[in-house]
Amino acid sequence: NAGVTQTPKFRVLKTGQSMTLLCAQDMNHEYMYWYRQDPGMGLRLIHYSVGEGTTAKGEVPDGYNVSRLKKQNFLLGLESAAPSQTSVYFCASSWVPYNEQFFGPGTRLTVL
Amino acid sequence: GENVEQHPSTLSVQEGDSAVIKCTYSDSASNYFPWYKQELGKRPQLIIDIRSNVGEKKDQRIAVTLNKTAKHFSLHITETQPEDSAVYFCAASIPGAGSYQLTFGKGTKLSVIP
Repeated sequence: NAGVTQTPKFRVLKTGQSMTLLCAQDMNHEYMYWYRQDPGMGLRLIHYSVGEGTTAKGEVPDGYNVSRLKKQNFLLGLESAAPSQTSVYFCASSWVPYNEQFFGPGTRLTVL
Repeated sequence: GENVEQHPSTLSVQEGDSAVIKCTYSDSASNYFPWYKQELGKRPQLIIDIRSNVGEKKDQRIAVTLNKTAKHFSLHITETQPEDSAVYFCAASIPGAGSYQLTFGKGTKLSVIP
């Protein structure tokens, strides 16, 4: 089992460009999450999903959109990237809420 | 919403000594408190968690204690080893119907000196 995978691993964007980050899990987990990690800020939840076809806002949702068309995939989109979105993005999944979350390897995004 | 404070932000200990990291939370309705370890350049991984109906939980050299009255919980690592060097994050569940979220502390960088 691959667990949780993320594509791409690294990306550099110019301000105003758009991109989509892909998260995939092969554990049949219902719950999926997108976090961003900035130095000294811990992990902050952007959006999450409680099942196929559902999405909900987390702590810092502005500037991001998500979609969960298939149970195993959770996509994070940036429509118009800004330098403030430079960060490391982690996807995670869990079988049930308030239980172990399995994290992907992360995507390092730089917006110039 | 829930607010989680984590202290200290950095901690250095000699190999073999104990390390303690403390977190406080604001919402008394929070009921799930995990701890994650993140090695440099790696993904966070769960090392231990505790629920509000339990006061203490141990797993080999790692233990977590929960004081619901004071709204704080702590991670204890005994007989520290160099491989314990990492950033540790605490988290607390955000209560409320349909929430399903965790709030994380800002992290503690633990350095174990051989």
